[in-house]
Amino acid sequence: DAGVIQSPRHEVTEMGQEVTLRCKPISGHNSLFWYRQTMMRGLELLIYFNNNVPIDDSGMPEDRFSAKMPNASFSTLKIQPSEPRDSAVYFCASSLGDRGFEAFFGQGTRLTVV
Amino acid sequence: AQSVTQLGSHVSVSEGALVLLRCNYSSSVPPYLFWYVQYPNQGLQLLLKYTTGATLVKGINGFEAEFKKSETSFHLTKPSAHMSDAAEYFCAVRGGSQGNLIFGKGTKLSVKP
Repeated sequence: DAGVIQSPRHEVTEMGQEVTLRCKPISGHNSLFWYRQTMMRGLELLIYFNNNVPIDDSGMPEDRFSAKMPNASFSTLKIQPSEPRDSAVYFCASSLGDRGFEAFFGQGTRLTVV
Repeated sequence: AQSVTQLGSHVSVSEGALVLLRCNYSSSVPPYLFWYVQYPNQGLQLLLKYTTGATLVKGINGFEAEFKKSETSFHLTKPSAHMSDAAEYFCAVRGGSQGNLIFGKGTKLSVKP
């Protein structure tokens, strides 16, 4: 398996623009997580899905952030409008519950909002 | 609620020396515990995990960790550090029944020649 695939790896955008981050989880995994990593806050869980259903989005910082999982093999995280403080590395991870909840991480998307 | 505390944001050891990275957890349910490693500009990679059973867990790259319920600890050790071990290490605990992980702030390990 190719692992969790995220795109793009790097994104530079201007403040106010819409940004869409994409994630393809490992085939067969039933849980998907979006994390944000910054120097100040470390790794924060933004939202997670189980069987394509959002379970907990309490970590989503503002209404500007939204996430979808239309099917078991694809998820998006959208920021609209983007702001400089959204600059961070965004990770997607997936896991299979009956395998001890080990989460497999993608390579991340480094977002810079200027 | 579940939480993780990693003592020491930065640890420096000499090559060949013992590595000890500390992690304490709080969990209202039987804990599942994890250590992940992150190399620069990379995602997180699982080193080892504890779910049930044997409390001494061996992982990749010669690392191991011991679950101590009485101390609510899950410290990571390696007998002899190698230059390639320089990275950031994260301890995590299962956050709930759906398997979301709660991470500590991370410990950056430096290895001196």
